[in-house]
Amino acid sequence: SQQGEEDPQALSIQEGENATMNCSYKTSINNLQWYRQNSGRGLVHLILIRSNEREKHSGRLRVTLDTSKKSSSLLITASRAADTASYFCAGANSKLTFGKGITLSVRP
Amino acid sequence: EAGVTQFPSHSVIEKGQTVTLRCDPISGHDNLYWYRRVMGKEIKFLLHFVKESKQDESGMPNNRFLAERTGGTYSTLKVQPAELEDSGVYFCASSRRLAESTDTQYFGPGTRLTVL
Repeated sequence: SQQGEEDPQALSIQEGENATMNCSYKTSINNLQWYRQNSGRGLVHLILIRSNEREKHSGRLRVTLDTSKKSSSLLITASRAADTASYFCAGANSKLTFGKGITLSVRP
Repeated sequence: EAGVTQFPSHSVIEKGQTVTLRCDPISGHDNLYWYRRVMGKEIKFLLHFVKESKQDESGMPNNRFLAERTGGTYSTLKVQPAELEDSGVYFCASSRRLAESTDTQYFGPGTRLTVL
């Protein structure tokens, strides 16, 4: 299996609802980063959480990291149609190791 | 501050031809990375430059791929000769700190390569 496996693979929610995406990784990391990719566009960095941090907030984003379980979650609160995109987690040591991504659809 | 730029945005070539992709990192970023996403697969690391030196090229698929970063500024990735399985999106990323090479990586829009 690849490091940075996200769960679920696809998620469809109604605008205003919260979206929770989970990620597991296998090897040791210095930090874990979440990215978003809109269709046909590049990767946009969302948030970075270091291995000695447990939770971090940025606007409507909340990320947690559990190094004992080698897992992370990304919560988007009060989702909007514009949040529709693919989301990737990436474990970082000297390079990023990505999962396949989660496709989030937010219905207006 | 200008972001990471990549050229071209799309390239369609025939098997056996040569293609050169270019990446201009954010000014002042010492770290430059190349990644690739083949359709349906995850984004995979290719290599990492620190200034003009190759720090890690463990992800380069084979010797048909050659990356350079002359002068520690922009980088090129040449594929020669291209094969069908080289098709995909090639991303470049850069980050600032030399001591913390796991700092936030900023990605370019990618180059979509199609080999026919």
